[in-house]
Amino acid sequence: KAGVTQTPRYLIKTRGQQVTLSCSPISGHRSVSWYQQTPGQGLQFLFEYFSETQRNKGNFPGRFSGRQFSNSRSEMNVSTLELGDSALYLCASSSEGFHNTEAFFGQGTRLTVV
Amino acid sequence: AQTVTQSQPEMSVQEAETVTLSCTYDTSESDYYLFWYKQPPSRQMILVIRQEAYKQQNATENRFSVNFQKAAKSFSLKISDSQLGDAAMYFCAKVGSYNQGGKLIFGQGTELSVKP
Repeated sequence: KAGVTQTPRYLIKTRGQQVTLSCSPISGHRSVSWYQQTPGQGLQFLFEYFSETQRNKGNFPGRFSGRQFSNSRSEMNVSTLELGDSALYLCASSSEGFHNTEAFFGQGTRLTVV
Repeated sequence: AQTVTQSQPEMSVQEAETVTLSCTYDTSESDYYLFWYKQPPSRQMILVIRQEAYKQQNATENRFSVNFQKAAKSFSLKISDSQLGDAAMYFCAKVGSYNQGGKLIFGQGTELSVKP
């Protein structure tokens, strides 16, 4: 069965622009969560969507937003990009969350802001 | 705030030997799950092992085992018979109750190198 697919894999944007990243979960999975990974801050939780509703949110500014579609595919958007937004963005999918089912990560989108 | 702490930024082990990676966490919950993830240079996050807090028995997966001390809030990973392919960044992580099910809290990571 297909794994978690994140697109694009690499992205270069200019400061001030906005960007949209996509995550296609494993078929049947309803939970998609997003994480930002940087050398300085490590892995930080952005938000989680479950059955098209945001179920949890991390401590990121409002420039970071997301949504989930009826087919469970999720997108995250970052507006007014800053240099500090350069990071690896990972998404994970699971049927209900990490607590009682196995979750699978995508390979990530490497975003570089110049 | 919930935190997960890995106090060893780097560890090194000789091939075929055993190494233990440390992790402590802070929580007020009684029911939660703990994980160890491996992230090789490809950046693909791979689940190594997981532990349910209400289970007293330590989880094992082949060469990987944990020492879960609930009262001490400690969750260490032991890798036996280390192999070159074990070299990677290892993250300890925790998730809380059901309504926090998609919110994984990670430690800072431990970079493991394996010497031939």
